[in-house]
Amino acid sequence: EAGVAQSPRYKIIEKRQSVAFWCNPISGHATLYWYQQILGQGPKLLIQFQNNGVVDDSQLPKDRFSAERLKGVDSTLKIQPAKLEDSAVYLCASSSGTSGGAREQFFGPGTRLTVL
Amino acid sequence: AQRVTQPEKLLSVFKGAPVELKCNYSYSGSPELFWYVQYSRQRLQLLLRHISRESIKGFTADLNKGETSFHLKKPFAQEEDSAMYYCAFGNFNKFYFGSGTKLNVKP
Repeated sequence: EAGVAQSPRYKIIEKRQSVAFWCNPISGHATLYWYQQILGQGPKLLIQFQNNGVVDDSQLPKDRFSAERLKGVDSTLKIQPAKLEDSAVYLCASSSGTSGGAREQFFGPGTRLTVL
Repeated sequence: AQRVTQPEKLLSVFKGAPVELKCNYSYSGSPELFWYVQYSRQRLQLLLRHISRESIKGFTADLNKGETSFHLKKPFAQEEDSAMYYCAFGNFNKFYFGSGTKLNVKP
């Protein structure tokens, strides 16, 4: 089966600009996650979708970050405006469920964002 | 609050030596615990989870609720085990990763 796809793989922008990331999860996976991984740290969950509904977005900086999953499949994560501290790898993951064995997450390759 | 702690950033061992990567968590209930691994130039992937009580690539991890630990162990390290290892904790809709331990297995 095809894995989680993400684009772009790399993005360089200046502070105060906007940027968007795209994720296509594994077919049939109901749950989609966006993580931010700053250099030297573990991934931090930003938002979790179950189909097209938000399950948890408690760690999403909502003043500048937004995410959507309109048809319960693809998802986009947007930053507007970007700050220097947003430089990180943004990971998308999907799973078939949210508990037990169904919680195994499959990760995409990530998008490396550099904010200058 | 820090949910998952991995105290070692780097662990270097020689091939054939035993390995233990430490993980402690903060939660009083019944957590779901996982170990994820990222090999060089590869995606983050699941290594094992506590509910399966399985051994993957010779690695095992036992949940110790008294010590709130979920250490990853392997009796004889191999060079191909060199990678970044992350302990992770799931609780209802929350999911937390530790900061990771880089394992370097020397020949």
